[in-house]
Amino acid sequence: DAKTTQPPSMDCAEGRAANLPCNHSTISGNEYVYWYRQIHSQGPQYIIHGLKNNETNEMASLIITEDRKSSTLILPHATLRDTAVYYCIVRPGNTGGFKTIFGAGTRLFVKA
Amino acid sequence: DAGVIQSPRHEVTEMGQEVTLRCKPISGHNSLFWYRQTMMRGLELLIYFNNNVPIDDSGMPEDRFSAKMPNASFSTLKIQPSEPRDSAVYFCASSLVGGVPEKLFFGSGTQLSVL
Repeated sequence: DAKTTQPPSMDCAEGRAANLPCNHSTISGNEYVYWYRQIHSQGPQYIIHGLKNNETNEMASLIITEDRKSSTLILPHATLRDTAVYYCIVRPGNTGGFKTIFGAGTRLFVKA
Repeated sequence: DAGVIQSPRHEVTEMGQEVTLRCKPISGHNSLFWYRQTMMRGLELLIYFNNNVPIDDSGMPEDRFSAKMPNASFSTLKIQPSEPRDSAVYFCASSLVGGVPEKLFFGSGTQLSVL
């Protein structure tokens, strides 16, 4: 799997947008960017994924740079319940021959 | 669907004892993963199965660890004998290979304490 780099921690005020960056400069052409989050004591939860285009779902938005070497996960209106560790992962999109490897992630603290 | 089901939720045992962790993947999923999480090492992939066949067990730390998947709806992770350094949260996850995207769905984990 391509390696990703994320800041170890970030703070965000409740109600404001949380922008979590991820660098993946060695990403290959067939690799997707996936984001998961892990709320304390729970298993990781899938958030969103993308290949080239920006993506949005009910949880978040994903902005991928044109050269695909970095991306940003955006939580538009962060709440206290969004406090979690956020993992950025790159891997091929839909094949069983590859492992999903989690790095250290970014610990997001949403403050009232 | 009830999601990925793991049991037990908590396990406390003494060093040297055998420990068996259980996982029921989401019905219809064809890949299953075992992860271990500690503060020091984060979330580590131990082994994963595709269509009940172990594909990669390179993350299994020692021969004391073994995993089986006798059918599509059940998997076990066994530690024999257990040691204090095995204390961790063990997560099971499943996915549908060929689905777009290939999302992992995690269980609630088993908190293992080896005294």
